[in-house]
Amino acid sequence: AQRVTQPEKLLSVFKGAPVELKCNYSYSGSPELFWYVQYSRQRLQLLLRHISRESIKGFTADLNKGETSFHLKKPFAQEEDSAMYYCALKGTSYDKVIFGPGTSLSVIP
Amino acid sequence: GAVVSQHPSRVICKSGTSVKIECRSLDFQATTMFWYRQFPKQSLMLMATSNEGSKATYEQGVEKDKFLINHASLTLSTLTVTSAHPEDSSFYICSARGGSMGELFFGEGSRLTVL
Repeated sequence: AQRVTQPEKLLSVFKGAPVELKCNYSYSGSPELFWYVQYSRQRLQLLLRHISRESIKGFTADLNKGETSFHLKKPFAQEEDSAMYYCALKGTSYDKVIFGPGTSLSVIP
Repeated sequence: GAVVSQHPSRVICKSGTSVKIECRSLDFQATTMFWYRQFPKQSLMLMATSNEGSKATYEQGVEKDKFLINHASLTLSTLTVTSAHPEDSSFYICSARGGSMGELFFGEGSRLTVL
């Protein structure tokens, strides 16, 4: 069965410090992985997807199939990065997207 | 980018009544829309996949007679919570796939409170 886990419910870092939000998944095939972000009082929006291999707002994420992980990283956290982050998975055989439990990131000024 | 709109954003109803929530794709057509439910401080739980012109596909454990989904056009899907009870109180979010990359766009969500 497909599943997405995010071990940290809450993560606090100081401004300028590196940040890593962990995500692990279980899926028998080759999934598509995503990171979605929800800023305070805003709707959920796509941050990045593994197939794009791009950096958005300084964030990057590398898909590690051996470790079944898709951790989100940023070298220098900013206050505006404070938000709820969801890791998500889409299987190749279906269209739906499954979300992890989310990690609330708080960047301390 | 593509915009998905939900209405109403907030609704309060009495126990036993039915409530309809609309999800519209404003500037693109969506043959498939997804309905999620989010409890406070929890993740989004996929309820069902809404397919234009055909029956919705419900996730395991979601009562199809309780949560009626209709996707009558390429820009509109509706979720009707029938005979609502207090335990149905939740945040309901819809999404649709659009844009050149086929990414998911989310509505602003609808908060249902059943008294």
